[in-house]
Amino acid sequence: QVQLQESGPRLVKPSETLSLTCTVSGASISSHYWTWIRQPAGKGLEWIGRMHTIGSTNYNPSLKSRVTVSVDTSKNQFSLKLNSVTAADTAVYFCAKDVERSSSAGGWFDPWGQGTLVTVSS
Amino acid sequence: QSVLTQPPSASGTPGQRVTLSCSGSSSNIARKYVYWYQKLPGTAPKLLIYRNDQRPSGVPDRFSGSKSGTSASLAISGLRSEDEADYYCAAWDDSLSASVVFGGGTKLTVL
Repeated sequence: QVQLQESGPRLVKPSETLSLTCTVSGASISSHYWTWIRQPAGKGLEWIGRMHTIGSTNYNPSLKSRVTVSVDTSKNQFSLKLNSVTAADTAVYFCAKDVERSSSAGGWFDPWGQGTLVTVSS
Repeated sequence: QSVLTQPPSASGTPGQRVTLSCSGSSSNIARKYVYWYQKLPGTAPKLLIYRNDQRPSGVPDRFSGSKSGTSASLAISGLRSEDEADYYCAAWDDSLSASVVFGGGTKLTVL
């Protein structure tokens, strides 16, 4: 079955760039939206953004100016970059596949990665 | 403040039926599918309901989803202690932002 695994630095300094990669195994990354979601400690889930393998993207308006999601089909991976981070970006970051294929639909996340805690601190 | 509104807490006793609500607007729930997730501490969210009322294989039929107008509901019947978790609704928002929006989550306590 399809499995997702996040990887990347667990500690990022304020004002620097948070970079995470999600490796997809068990299926080709093609023809779907690939998504990042986060959850700060004690708070709810927050959708960050997504990219389709054909190149279209959608981002959370509150993060749009700082976020880039990219896909590397040759490696079956997709990535998140969040720049100018602050302590408020400390969270567990999840990657997920959005099963919905339409550009005007989304929210059907399955499967998910296990999540990785990223801490922003000097 | 979340685009979708969920009560922060709910409770029930074993065997009881509980209903969790999710309120949205014309740009999301009213004309888009709703999804429900169960979140246990230290684990990834688990998909419970997709496209308003569809259950993935492996999800017990104790869980059911419905939608009416700008609101959606998740019902859990035959409540069990292992149902104690946080529950989140999600939907696509068709406004200028064109993004997925989550509710703030409901913490369900089994008394």
